[in-house]
Amino acid sequence: EAGVVQSPRYKIIEKKQPVAFWCNPISGHNTLYWYRQNLGQGPELLIRYENEEAVDDSQLPKDRFSAERLKGVDSTLKIQPAELGDSAVYLCASSKGTLNTEAFFGQGTRLTVV
Amino acid sequence: AQSVTQPDIHITVSEGASLELRCNYSYGATPYLFWYVQSPGQGLQLLLKYFSGDTLVQGIKGFEAEFKRSQSSFNLRKPSVHWSDAAEYFCAVALNQAGTALIFGKGTTLSVSS
Repeated sequence: EAGVVQSPRYKIIEKKQPVAFWCNPISGHNTLYWYRQNLGQGPELLIRYENEEAVDDSQLPKDRFSAERLKGVDSTLKIQPAELGDSAVYLCASSKGTLNTEAFFGQGTRLTVV
Repeated sequence: AQSVTQPDIHITVSEGASLELRCNYSYGATPYLFWYVQSPGQGLQLLLKYFSGDTLVQGIKGFEAEFKRSQSSFNLRKPSVHWSDAAEYFCAVALNQAGTALIFGKGTTLSVSS
């Protein structure tokens, strides 16, 4: 069974430029999460999807961040425009969304804004 | 609000010695509890989890953790550390509800000396 796939693995952009990250969750996983992990910190939730519905986006900076999961499968997270402080690892995770099930994480996208 | 505290930022253990990583959580009820490991450039890998039942849980790679309700703790242990265990370790909690997101501690970096 394939795991959570994220691309790209690394991205370097100049500030004020847009950037997008893509995530393909494990097949059959209804719940999809985007986390941001700053250097030396634990991951922090940005947004959680149940199928195609964003059910928790309270931590998503909506002035510059957007996300979508149009068909309830893969998802895209976008930043426009990027700021220096957005440099971090962006992790995608998925789970079956039922009780007693765990979340599986992708390898992440390391974003560097210069 | 729920929170997770990992008091030790960095721990160094000699190869072959025992290991204990501390984790305390703040939550009104018994949450789901997890330990993840993250090697450099890699995503998060689940070591073990506690949902209910036996408070001593066994995980992969020879790790175990004990849930102590009275102390709000979920410490990770390993009787004999190997050099390959050097990594970042994260404790996480989740609400006892389907699909809820994980709340992570800030992590403990484990170094293994020869």
